[in-house]
Amino acid sequence: EAGVAQSPRYKIIEKRQSVAFWCNPISGHATLYWYQQILGQGPKLLIQFQNNGVVDDSQLPKDRFSAERLKGVDSTLKIQPAKLEDSAVYLCASSFSTENYGYTFGSGTRLTVV
Amino acid sequence: GDSVTQMEGPVTLSEEAFLTINCTYTATGYPSLFWYVQYPGEGLQLLLKATKADDKGSNKGFEATYRKETTSFHLEKGSVQVSDSAVYFCALKGSNYQLIWGAGTKLIIKP
Repeated sequence: EAGVAQSPRYKIIEKRQSVAFWCNPISGHATLYWYQQILGQGPKLLIQFQNNGVVDDSQLPKDRFSAERLKGVDSTLKIQPAKLEDSAVYLCASSFSTENYGYTFGSGTRLTVV
Repeated sequence: GDSVTQMEGPVTLSEEAFLTINCTYTATGYPSLFWYVQYPGEGLQLLLKATKADDKGSNKGFEATYRKETTSFHLEKGSVQVSDSAVYFCALKGSNYQLIWGAGTKLIIKP
């Protein structure tokens, strides 16, 4: 089966600019996650979708970050305006269900804010 | 709340050495346990998992046993290779079905 697709692979922007990341999960996976991984740290959950509904966005900085999954399939994560501390790898993952399955991760988008 | 603690790295070993990366957890109920691996410049890959006590997960020569009595899920491999150099993350999925991550352990294998 095809894996989780993410684009772009790399992005460099100046602070205060906006940026958007795209994720297409594995077909049939109802649950989709966006994670932020800062260099040398474990992943931090930003938002979890179940189909097109938000399950958990408690760690999403809502003043600058937004995410949507309008048709319950692919998803977009946006940052506006970006700050230097947003430099990280943004990982998308999907799962067949919320129960005893691991997640399948995409390759991530490496964002550098200068 | 639920948490995962894994040994700090980097762990540096010679090729063909025996590997242990310790992982302990705190959780209510009966979580599922996972090891993920992240090779340089790549995303996270599921290495192995165990969903109940005494289960042994295994893949690519790596093994980990779900020990409820010691709340541990240590990762082991009998003979490591240079290609095993990566960052290894222990994680649990608890009652809210979200993954709780350890901080990661960087493994460096020298030829």
